[in-house]
Amino acid sequence: DGGITQSPKYLFRKEGQNVTLSCEQNLNHDAMYWYRQDPGQGLRLIYYSQIVNDFQKGDIAEGYSVSREKKESFPLTVTSAQKNPTAFYLCASSTSGGVAGELFFGEGSRLTVL
Amino acid sequence: KQEVTQIPAALSVPEGENLVLNCSFTDSAIYNLQWFRQDPGKGLTSLLLIQSSQREQTSGRLNASLDKSSGRSTLYIAASQPGDSATYLCAVITGGGNKLTFGTGTQLKVEL
Repeated sequence: DGGITQSPKYLFRKEGQNVTLSCEQNLNHDAMYWYRQDPGQGLRLIYYSQIVNDFQKGDIAEGYSVSREKKESFPLTVTSAQKNPTAFYLCASSTSGGVAGELFFGEGSRLTVL
Repeated sequence: KQEVTQIPAALSVPEGENLVLNCSFTDSAIYNLQWFRQDPGKGLTSLLLIQSSQREQTSGRLNASLDKSSGRSTLYIAASQPGDSATYLCAVITGGGNKLTFGTGTQLKVEL
């Protein structure tokens, strides 16, 4: 089945550790996105990529890093510089990197800092 | 800066009722508007996408309308069912066309 796969579903991290969240899509979409969701707040954009080997910062990029070495993959690293990393992270993709088409989401990864 | 508001934040209705969810946005220069459904602890499921040139879209019991000039969209759910219980989010694409701005959602509960 075509779709977006995020892993792991749940992740626990000690303070000071970097963690990487995986996002893979087989929809042949050019654009991929990472969002963060906190209770009572709308989704906030962390990073997005319109094409392989290119990505841009979103509204809350500080403390995060990404790479886009393959069209299918857009991993997100939450670094120790992120002051409040506990959140629900959502990866998405869309058909066009220009005027964006319909956005499709993965099932999310919940990160908890102990 | 685009701001998206959804009212009410929560809604509880009896099964079978027709209902309307509201979404308003401050910048009318949008490329499209998308409605999503989110179940607890899950990702977002796309329900309807309305391009800026369209006024409405329909899928089954769902109908979404768009009025760009007034900065509003509504999601109409006909004959609501308990399985419709979820959080409904709207999002708009503005400006460079690559970033969505999301509302905070309406949490819907349909009771038996």
